[in-house]
Order: sequence, then C-alpha cells, then structure tokens
Amino acid sequence: DSGVTQTPKHLITATGQRVTLRCSPRSGDLSVYWYQQSLDQGLQFLIQYYNGEERAKGNILERFSAQQFPDLHSELNLSSLELGDSALYFCASSVASTDTNSPLHFGNGTRLTVT
Amino acid sequence: GNSVTQMEGPVTLSEEAFLTINCTYTATGYPSLFWYVQYPGEGLQLLLKATKADDKGSNKGFEATYRKETTSFHLEKGSVQVSDSAVYFCALSAGGRRALTFGSGTRLQVQP
Repeated sequence: DSGVTQTPKHLITATGQRVTLRCSPRSGDLSVYWYQQSLDQGLQFLIQYYNGEERAKGNILERFSAQQFPDLHSELNLSSLELGDSALYFCASSVASTDTNSPLHFGNGTRLTVT
Repeated sequence: GNSVTQMEGPVTLSEEAFLTINCTYTATGYPSLFWYVQYPGEGLQLLLKATKADDKGSNKGFEATYRKETTSFHLEKGSVQVSDSAVYFCALSAGGRRALTFGSGTRLQVQP
C-alpha cells in the first residue's frame, strides 16, 4: 500500500459531461502529481502541485483543471469530456517539490470510461 | 525535451530465465533515472533508481546501471519468477523538475 488514496476507482460517464477525480496524498507528502495513462499515449504528466500551489504543467488540456486544497488533497476536474479522454488517471505524491532523490508514490488510479 | 525509449513488449520468458529490458534516454543536464513496476490493477511502484553516472540501482534481484556514455539504463535480472510478471516503466527526472518522464512500458510475462 503506497498510502496514496484515489477515488473513485471507476467512473463511467457520457461525452460532454464533467467529472472530478480525488486524491489524498501519503501522510507528510506536500507534492501531488497527476498522470494520464492511455493505450496510445502511455503515461503522460498532466500537472503538479506543491503545498497548494501549481508547480509544473505538462500535457494538460484546457478542458482539464486541478487544485490542491489546504489539507493537501487534490482534485482533477475534467470537463466537456470526449471519447478520447477515456484512460486511467493516476495521482502520485512525494515529500519535496524538486528533490529528485525522493521517490514518487502512486495511487491505484481512477479508470475513466467516456461513452 | 526529455524523452525515454523502451523496448517494445510483451517479453515472454520461462521461469529462471535471464531478463533484460532496454531503456535509453534523452535529457538536458544530468537526470536521475528510475525503474517502476506496475502489477495488474495497481499503481506504479518504485523498483530502483540511480542518480548519477555509473551508479547501480538494485532491488529484489533487479539491477540497472546508469550509463552516461550510452545514455542507457537497462533493467536486468538473473532469474525471473512468475511473480515478476508485470509492466515495467523506465523514467527520468531532470532539470530540477520532480515530475517524471516515462517510457511507454514493457510488459513481462513469465511462464512456469
């Protein structure tokens, strides 16, 4: 068990809808990362937050947004959903923001299916 | 930009066979290199890491050596087990960015 909790585990929704994915980082970790895993794109980094502030942005679409709350949990909001957004969305956490020696701890992911 | 290239899978081996999964990278500066493993239905777990040239990361019988001259970080294990069946991802972190850049993953199937 990595200590990172993601909810829900599965989500099925229709095109055009909006969903929110939730992540609770490992106790003591200040940094949260969101990744999208799809069959054709592999693991893509979306966005990183550190102690409530956005720290780095990857291949995140404008239809997607995220935030990290004062209790350090994070939410990823996906709107105007398209079939191509169907994927496994992972949250990861780490203690520090830029210390490359501290590992990332991954949750088990949320599987999103857009129909 | 940063990128990681892994050998295509799936790799199918018999139990006790020798494993090599190739990984090469392109990065600015001096990246840290990682191997993560993903078992079915689970998230990624750190398997091993190396933070500078010639470092060898090792864990659970797996090893990988950071080769700066060939920009490679190949994963090896001398004798695989059925329980090693999983998807293996090579990754790097560079330029002060903690966010990892992943390879496409290599599925390993070990048959009894």
